[in-house]
Order: sequence, then C-alpha cells, then structure tokens
Amino acid sequence: GAVVSQHPSWVICKSGTSVKIECRSLDFQATTMFWYRQFPKQSLMLMATSNEGSKATYEQGVEKDKFLINHASLTLSTLTVTSAHPEDSSFYICSAKAGGPSETQYFGPGTRLLVL
Amino acid sequence: GQNIDQPTEMTATEGAIVQINCTYQTSGFNGLFWYQQHAGEAPTFLSYNVLDGLEEKGRFSSFLSRSKGYSYLLLKELQMKDSASYLCASMDSNYQLIWGAGTKLIIKP
Repeated sequence: GAVVSQHPSWVICKSGTSVKIECRSLDFQATTMFWYRQFPKQSLMLMATSNEGSKATYEQGVEKDKFLINHASLTLSTLTVTSAHPEDSSFYICSAKAGGPSETQYFGPGTRLLVL
Repeated sequence: GQNIDQPTEMTATEGAIVQINCTYQTSGFNGLFWYQQHAGEAPTFLSYNVLDGLEEKGRFSSFLSRSKGYSYLLLKELQMKDSASYLCASMDSNYQLIWGAGTKLIIKP
C-alpha cells in the first residue's frame, strides 16, 4: 500500500517553456500532497503544501506564479513550472499522506528536470 | 529557530552495526521520522517515533528521547544495499516536517 507515482520521471526542455509534473496516489486518497525540490547533494526543500480543493500554501521564497500547483482530486496533484530557466533544473519530488496531520508522507519516485 | 542535526557522512563495514544520530529542535513536536534515500532516487519511509523508546523493525531500529531532543537509527547486519543517505525529520506543532540534511552512509566490504 501507500504507492505514489510521478510522471514524467525525466524532462528536458528549452528555456522559456512550461513543464507539468503529475503526482498520483495510487492506492489511497491523499488529503494532503507536498512538493519538494532537491538540488544535487543538498537536503530536501519543501516548496508547497496542497490540500485537495484548496489553494496551495507556498514556502517562503517560492514563487507561486512560477510554480503552479493544482490539487483537483484526492489522488492527483500537478506542479507546473512556468517559463522554466536553467536554474530551475532540479529533482522535483512529491509526497502524499492520507488521514490526519501526523500521517506518514509517502514519496513519489521524483522527476528530474533539465532546462537547456 | 528550528534545527535538525545529523552527521554528514559515516562509513561502516558490511555485516557490522551502525548508529546514525539525530538531534532536533522544533517548535512543538509531533513525531520523528527516518527516511532512506538512495542516490538519484526519492526518499522511502523507514520509521516513525512519537513515544520514547526503541522501535524495532527487522534489521532497522529507531530510538527516541523526547526530553533530550534526540533520536537514532540503528542498522544491523549491514548490507551493501544499505549504502544510502538517511534523512531525519521532525514534525513540528503545525505538522510540518523539518528535514535534516541527511547522513550519507558508505558501506565497505
């Protein structure tokens, strides 16, 4: 149980284009989903928290107009990196949890984004 | 401020035991998580402690002392596949996970 998928696993795009990453909870309903970014050899950085049907809560320093998050259903959240630039190249990982606030977060396999 | 401290890197021998320590200071406390992250992959959940004491799960055990703000992850009978980063994360009063930078564990034959 508690499987989270992400699609795509790899993205290479040109600077200025937008990229959409999907995160799905496959065998449970995720009341809350999280989006993280991790640069090489650095720790996870939480970008935003999203609850189904409401606006995402962004961490300080994360541009909400650049990183659009939609959590339209209990099993799907999407992150769109708009007008991507080379500095946005990173490993983007989503996680999801069901139930109460102290429930365990289960991570998707991550999406590697390379912006040329 | 909120802070999680864990060693940057540790080395151990195949078949041995290793203990990875983590100290935390968070605004409130709702539990301590350990995750394993292999290079190039996303983290996978290992353990969750919210009460003091030792939780054993196969070759891995996790310990918590809330009064000391301290946890450790104990790995027994080390295997080469245990080479990974181990992330400690404390859940604060807002149920937000505060992440440590991770401990890179290198297993030598």
